[in-house]
Amino acid sequence: KNQVEQSPQSLIILEGKNCTLQCNYTVSPFSNLRWYKQDTGRGPVSLTIMTFSENTKSNGRYTATLDADTKQSSLHITASQLSDSASYICVVSAVLTGGGNKLTFGTGTQLKVEL
Amino acid sequence: DAGITQSPRHKVTETGTPVTLRCHQTENHRYMYWYRQDPGHGLRLIHYSYGVKDTDKGEVSDGYSVSRSKTEDFLLTLESATSSQTSVYFCAISSGHIMNTEAFFGQGTRLTVV
Repeated sequence: KNQVEQSPQSLIILEGKNCTLQCNYTVSPFSNLRWYKQDTGRGPVSLTIMTFSENTKSNGRYTATLDADTKQSSLHITASQLSDSASYICVVSAVLTGGGNKLTFGTGTQLKVEL
Repeated sequence: DAGITQSPRHKVTETGTPVTLRCHQTENHRYMYWYRQDPGHGLRLIHYSYGVKDTDKGEVSDGYSVSRSKTEDFLLTLESATSSQTSVYFCAISSGHIMNTEAFFGQGTRLTVV
């Protein structure tokens, strides 16, 4: 069964600090991996999309890395801001055995940035 | 929010009653999706549409039906609501298949079945 596991489940950091969120997946074969930011009470918003051939991708203060060999991805947030407080969701796109395809969503890491 | 409007935003309904959620888009995207989000679970696909009157089931489609009579509208119907369908429902749209194309999500509908 395809799985996407994220760690930590929750994280509290001080404003201005950096942090790294982890995503491990067992999905195979893999098409692409995405990171979404979901503010409380709102829908997910895309931060990055990476194919298996990409190792890193940045979007402002957000940098995602991907190691397709170890099936691990990370999202690094630099110089955190209060507005970064949200749930960060890792999503893996894959082809299913027997045909068809699927997006598998992780359960997210809840980040809180404090003064 | 990428021209996606979900209605209603909040609804409380009684067990056994029918409920219809609406997703309206102004982007003219071909694909539309309904997901549910529950604590301890990632978003899960209920149904999706790849064109007017073209729909298919997702991984948690039991108890749900959908209709798409116009490009801009995708309706999700719970024929007889149950407590297990209490959830937050998200509509998403994409210009190409969501597997390979950026997807945009609506703000969600919080449904409570009592």
